[in-house]
Amino acid sequence: DTAVSQTPKYLVTQMGNDKSIKCEQNLGHDTMYWYKQDSKKFLKIMFSYNNKELIINETVPNRFSPKSPDKAHLNLHINSLELGDSAVYFCASSQKVPSVPQETQYFGPGTRLLVL
Amino acid sequence: AQKVTQAQTEISVVEKEDVTLDCVYETRDTTYYLFWYKQPPSGELVFLIRRNSFDEQNEISGRYSWNFQKSTSSFNFTITASQVVDSAVYFCALSEANSGYSTLTFGKGTMLLVSP
Repeated sequence: DTAVSQTPKYLVTQMGNDKSIKCEQNLGHDTMYWYKQDSKKFLKIMFSYNNKELIINETVPNRFSPKSPDKAHLNLHINSLELGDSAVYFCASSQKVPSVPQETQYFGPGTRLLVL
Repeated sequence: AQKVTQAQTEISVVEKEDVTLDCVYETRDTTYYLFWYKQPPSGELVFLIRRNSFDEQNEISGRYSWNFQKSTSSFNFTITASQVVDSAVYFCALSEANSGYSTLTFGKGTMLLVSP
């Protein structure tokens, strides 16, 4: 009965490695997002996809590449991990309704990434 | 550019006290949406409320209430008779309708600590 799920919950890895975080939502939403929460708890949008199409791409290094195989999934692949990538990454989803442009976003439990 | 300010970094209260978390926002748009999210120690982000800029009615949900004042660009959150389980970081967020797709600009959060 989970709405937005992410795997893994924790990820500890060495600098230079490549890793992926998976996100799935069963809410029937058509828009999905990735946010980064830094060590000071600040939350910032990274990417957004609508129906598998990239619609928002904030200033994020090219090492981060989102992939949406279908509208229920949005995965985040990170190449050549750096110490500064250590953070909590949140996936979220919402429904794009034409008459209601700003629907509520529902968040996954977060993935805690630690780069050593 | 839109901006959300939560001036209170941390608040400590004793159980059963009332507490108000402040949120001040900046936007050039006349249509926008305001949100509050709760992040308990377990780390997930829990949606609390969504309010559009045309609805200035105050909202009450159990011990929670929200006061939206357009004149002062504020959307404050009050917890009445606080409980230990209310301990969390609370985020205020703003979304502008003109952006087409929903992205959230978050405040830096207020950490609320309720002690027994």
